[in-house]
Amino acid sequence: QKEVEQNSGPLSVPEGAIASLNCTYSDRGSQSFFWYRQYSGKSPELIMFIYSNGDKEDGRFTAQLNKASQYVSLLIRDSQPSDSATYLCASSSGAGSYQLTFGKGTKLSVIP
Amino acid sequence: GAVVSQHPSRVICKSGTSVKIECRSLDFQATTMFWYRQFPKQSLMLMATSNEGSKATYEQGVEKDKFLINHASLTLSTLTVTSAHPEDSSFYICSAPGTSGYGYTFGSGTRLTVV
Repeated sequence: QKEVEQNSGPLSVPEGAIASLNCTYSDRGSQSFFWYRQYSGKSPELIMFIYSNGDKEDGRFTAQLNKASQYVSLLIRDSQPSDSATYLCASSSGAGSYQLTFGKGTKLSVIP
Repeated sequence: GAVVSQHPSRVICKSGTSVKIECRSLDFQATTMFWYRQFPKQSLMLMATSNEGSKATYEQGVEKDKFLINHASLTLSTLTVTSAHPEDSSFYICSAPGTSGYGYTFGSGTRLTVV
């Protein structure tokens, strides 16, 4: 059974610090990985996706993928209070119409 | 970008009644729609996958006679919760593969409360 594991948190970081969110997955066939941000009572919004080993940067966000270790991470630099949300890691077997398997999410609190 | 419009955003119904949730793709054709359910402090759990013009595929443990899915057109997929009970109270979200290959567009979600 495909599983995506995340530490549920809460993870608390001071404003301006780097927040580090981690995720592991069980299915070696997973090809693509996604980080979603979900505010309370709202649907998830895509932050980043990554499918190649290494780092991918987009503004304050950096996603890291290590397929050998089956590990995905998200770094948020210069954390802001508005970053406070639950971050969901998800995996997919491929691009396009393949379904996503979600982790339970890590709740991040950025303290002003 | 691709937008999925989901309605209603919030619904309260009496136990035993049915509720229909609609998801429309506004500027693209969604041949596939994923339906998720999320309980408080839990992750999104895939309930079923609907494909335009064919029967939906349900995940293990999801009652297909209780959660009726219709995907009659390329822009509309519906989920009907029949004979709803309090344990069906949850956040229901639809999602469609976007147009960029790796993107998945989510609807805004429906908070269902069965009293």
